[in-house]
Amino acid sequence: AAGVIQSPRHLIKEKRETATLKCYPIPRHDTVYWYQQGPGQDPQFLISFYEKMQSDKGSIPDRFSAQQFSDYHSELNMSSLELGDSALYFCASTSRGPSPWEQYFGPGTRLTVT
Amino acid sequence: QKEVEQDPGPLSVPEGAIVSLNCTYSNSAFQYFMWYRQYSRKGPELLMYTYSSGNKEDGRFTAQVDKSSKYISLFIRDSQPSDSATYLCAMSAQGGSEKLVFGKGTKLTVNP
Repeated sequence: AAGVIQSPRHLIKEKRETATLKCYPIPRHDTVYWYQQGPGQDPQFLISFYEKMQSDKGSIPDRFSAQQFSDYHSELNMSSLELGDSALYFCASTSRGPSPWEQYFGPGTRLTVT
Repeated sequence: QKEVEQDPGPLSVPEGAIVSLNCTYSNSAFQYFMWYRQYSRKGPELLMYTYSSGNKEDGRFTAQVDKSSKYISLFIRDSQPSDSATYLCAMSAQGGSEKLVFGKGTKLTVNP
């Protein structure tokens, strides 16, 4: 079965640079969530989109922005990167129908800021 | 205080043991309760989910929710070395964006 695709899988950036993370949800899923998982930490919700509109916002820094496109893929844009942004970034997708809490996660993008 | 508390372990058991993993929570709005399994450097994999209070069984896995105590459990019977992973509980409130709030995860090792 098709899964959530994230790219790139690994990214190394320097402080103050920008990064773009991409997420391709499972086909026919209309909702995308972004989570950040620091070393040894639980995933923290950043932002979500339903039908290309932002549906909720969590602890996402103002330096970060995201959007969902007409094909339902989503991109997380991160600017003025800081050392503390080093983490695993997960995208999860679901269908807003009968079980919206049933989220399926991608493999993650490991971002390292040096 | 975090909304969801989970003992991070680590937990080490022999093969064939029954494993009990638990989480407590403070937000009474949570209605959906999930267990995810995460292998090292991989994305969380949805194991089971339950709605409100009650039990749900799937093969060797049983999930229990006690909303009156704000306490959820995952039991693994006949544990296998392949069950070695970090287990994360996650919860979501009804309505809204259904964002997940996770526990810190319990690292489980099943020894052959």
